Amino acid sequence: RKEVEQDPGPFNVPEGATVAFNCTYSNSASQSFFWYRQDCRKEPKLLMSVYSSGNEDGRFTAQLNRASQYISLLIRDSKLSDSATYLCVVNRGDSSYKLIFGSGTRLLVRP
Amino acid sequence: GAVVSQHPSRVICKSGTSVKIECRSLDFQATTMFWYRQFPKQSLMLMATSNEGSKATYEQGVEKDKFLINHASLTLSTLTVTSAHPEDSSFYICSARDPVSTTSNTEAFFGQGTRLTVV
Repeated sequence: RKEVEQDPGPFNVPEGATVAFNCTYSNSASQSFFWYRQDCRKEPKLLMSVYSSGNEDGRFTAQLNRASQYISLLIRDSKLSDSATYLCVVNRGDSSYKLIFGSGTRLLVRP
Repeated sequence: GAVVSQHPSRVICKSGTSVKIECRSLDFQATTMFWYRQFPKQSLMLMATSNEGSKATYEQGVEKDKFLINHASLTLSTLTVTSAHPEDSSFYICSARDPVSTTSNTEAFFGQGTRLTVV
């Protein structure tokens, strides 16, 4: 089983749509959770950290369910510029600060 | 915010030669940096942890003699791919943590990546 699993997609949605991505992780000791965005042939960039209580940043909402070891990302009112690969990332759960990446979910927003 | 700079962004080399990739933290001191490799349509895979002033620690399956890491200062880590072969062609990315960041203490900042092609 992969340490971090994501649906690879692609999710093909029209502008203005709401889309949700899910992610599961296997290490119950993980304490830090993130969503990163990666554009084609570029480095990943932090989209948002994910907190236990859930958190929102503009059109983006992240949720964490520790009991189910499940993370989600909701994007409202999709823009063309949201087209990218979204990476679910968790820390390894030890003191090393190492990050484990999911393989990413690809989003395509069409006009 | 914190910036990590990686150089070169792209390199093409002949099989059997060595390639050095640099990773610099520009506005903070990074005692620890991380090196990742990403093959097309796959996830970033951690290769090794670069520790300033000490030996790097490698992930299982990564050859330390092939991927030489040097972290001689608090702002620079280098990865040298020795005797490169076509199967080493990949996207190599470094990251670093700002230990005094006001956000999550495990937030990582990434270099721009190096696309290595071995011919």
